[in-house]
Amino acid sequence: DIQMTQSPSSLSASVGDRVTITCQASQEINNYLNWYQQKPGKAPKLLIYDASNLETGVPSRFSGSGSGTDFTFTITSLQPEDIATYYCQQYDDLPLTFGGGTKVEIK
Amino acid sequence: QVQLQESGPGLVKPSETLSLTCTVSGGSVSSYYWSWLRQPPGKGLEWIGYIYNSGSTNFNPSLKSRVTISVDTSMKEFSLKLKSVTAADTAVYYCARGHCSGGGCFPRNKYSGSYYFDQWGQGTLVTVSS
Repeated sequence: DIQMTQSPSSLSASVGDRVTITCQASQEINNYLNWYQQKPGKAPKLLIYDASNLETGVPSRFSGSGSGTDFTFTITSLQPEDIATYYCQQYDDLPLTFGGGTKVEIK
Repeated sequence: QVQLQESGPGLVKPSETLSLTCTVSGGSVSSYYWSWLRQPPGKGLEWIGYIYNSGSTNFNPSLKSRVTISVDTSMKEFSLKLKSVTAADTAVYYCARGHCSGGGCFPRNKYSGSYYFDQWGQGTLVTVSS
């Protein structure tokens, strides 16, 4: 299985701050990586696919980059509604696997 | 807009079979990877498996011996059965639509496209307890 390691596991930032989350794959996965946002009690929501493509309707303050084994997810200006847990997910190979999640809180 | 809704018992006894159904409204059940995932309380997401093109299935090796996924295209629903459950199977279970933009996503080749879960059910908590 491809292991996905996310860091940090949690972070606290102020409204307007730039927030960065990293995701490292245990082997090369090209750009076959997605990012999801999960708010408490809700299903995950797709934000970014193919490492850097913004899903339709998702605010432009969200972005992703990377290829190979190292990926980055960024919120350029944190908003109160961005409080959630964020997950990366690879689809280079089965089984599909997710990172452990990064919980984002407001300071 | 496609909507997915899970249904099934919220409590299952140890050693019995967990059975859930996902009803798809507002769209076809063809040509997507209809998937099940789960999330134990306070933990991360685990992919269980999918059914594709009304018959091709693939499962997480960690669960493969206990899992069945089937689809009823006429009823627009797909189902999960997980047998011999234990407390470790207690989780929120999600059904989701796996979208593949190319000509088949797994196994991947140079013609494979993007793959992502673009529609999710709200999730249903299943507790395994006597």
